[in-house]
Amino acid sequence: ELKVEQNPLFLSMQEGKNYTIYCNYSTTSDRLYWYRQDPGKSLESLFVLLSNGAVKQEGRLMASLDTKARLSTLHITAAVHDLSATYFCAAAPRWNSGGSNYKLTFGKGTLLTVNP
Amino acid sequence: GAGVSQSPRYKVAKRGQDVALRCDPISGHVSLFWYQQALGQGPEFLTYFQNEAQLDKSGLPSDRFFAERPEGSVSTLKIQRTQQEDSAVYLCASSKSRTGYSQETQYFGPGTRLLVL
Repeated sequence: ELKVEQNPLFLSMQEGKNYTIYCNYSTTSDRLYWYRQDPGKSLESLFVLLSNGAVKQEGRLMASLDTKARLSTLHITAAVHDLSATYFCAAAPRWNSGGSNYKLTFGKGTLLTVNP
Repeated sequence: GAGVSQSPRYKVAKRGQDVALRCDPISGHVSLFWYQQALGQGPEFLTYFQNEAQLDKSGLPSDRFFAERPEGSVSTLKIQRTQQEDSAVYLCASSKSRTGYSQETQYFGPGTRLLVL
């Protein structure tokens, strides 16, 4: 059974600082997603990472994937208040691993608060 | 373009009442998913449809939960004889193709927040 752990669960940052959110998963995975959720809103897709060493960047956010370590990171550069939200990572089993590879398993989320 | 929509956005039910939650996926999307998100937690998989076929219902918590997608587009999640532990946000997501063979992103709707009193 695929399990996903995120840390930290709570992150309070000052504007302008850098930080990283970590996402570990327990078994081989085809793809790793990062989503953002604002309070009372739905999940917004940020990144899809499909292969070992994949790195994607959008604005102040950069996501990477190390399949050997079963680890993905979401790095925040020079945080601004608008980045305050809950960030989720989610993984799906590899398609040939016998698991249901459409089934996303989510971490508990990281509540990010960026303070002035 | 239009995203995934869900209705109602909020539902308050008395314990024992039946509820029906609706999901309109993105037009043309083949795959449809239902997730349950408890307060402070990540979404948890409930069920998966490919067109009108329900291929996986392994995440449904009990036989009080029932989902359908009769024409391969709109889906309804029904909960019979609601209990307090059913209180959660129910999220619907859709993706363009047969997810088992693609790497498509799942696009989520705004969710229905269900409160059972």
